Amino acid sequence: SQQGEEDPQALSIQEGENATMNCSYKTSINNLQWYRQNSGRGLVHLILIRSNEREKHSGRLRVTLDTSKKSSSLLITASRAADTASYFCATDAGGSNTGKLIFGQGTTLQVKP
Amino acid sequence: EAGVTQFPSHSVIEKGQTVTLRCDPISGHDNLYWYRRVMGKEIKFLLHFVKESKQDESGMPNNRFLAERTGGTYSTLKVQPAELEDSGVYFCASSWRDGPGDGYTFGSGTRLTVV
Repeated sequence: SQQGEEDPQALSIQEGENATMNCSYKTSINNLQWYRQNSGRGLVHLILIRSNEREKHSGRLRVTLDTSKKSSSLLITASRAADTASYFCATDAGGSNTGKLIFGQGTTLQVKP
Repeated sequence: EAGVTQFPSHSVIEKGQTVTLRCDPISGHDNLYWYRRVMGKEIKFLLHFVKESKQDESGMPNNRFLAERTGGTYSTLKVQPAELEDSGVYFCASSWRDGPGDGYTFGSGTRLTVV
């Protein structure tokens, strides 16, 4: 079965620095999404990149997708203390597009003020 | 528009008791999903409703878990009897079409602690 794997598991940086998180997956996909979870709160959708896209931007976020390597990266530029959260990548299950998502274990990001 | 609402936000129950979690999706969203994150592990799919029908319940861990979606509106997830390993955060998400479109809307989750 497919599994999203992320690295690093934990990342600690200073405010203003950039944070890069990586995600790998195992099967074909239609799209890959990134979500954020602040402590004690729900999952917030950040960005979705489709399998025919290589890069996508949204504000301070930049996502890349390399389907040949089955990997994606999330870059947060000019990080802020409010970016402290857990970040998860999620892919559709084997490209079926039924809605079922396979999540990675997440990267815990701490941004120190 | 109101988002996906889940309650309670927290629940602490003793092993062997019953707990019912509720999810109110965004109005008009036919698709409703349940996921959970057990402490320190990945977020895992539990099941998917399309209106009132269970489209995929392959992620339900065992028969102690029962999900319903009466009338195709809100959904409940009952755990009976609860076990220690059921502790975690239960998330609900909804969408108006199969597949994520521009991404799913998740609720804030219910943190379940079984003691």
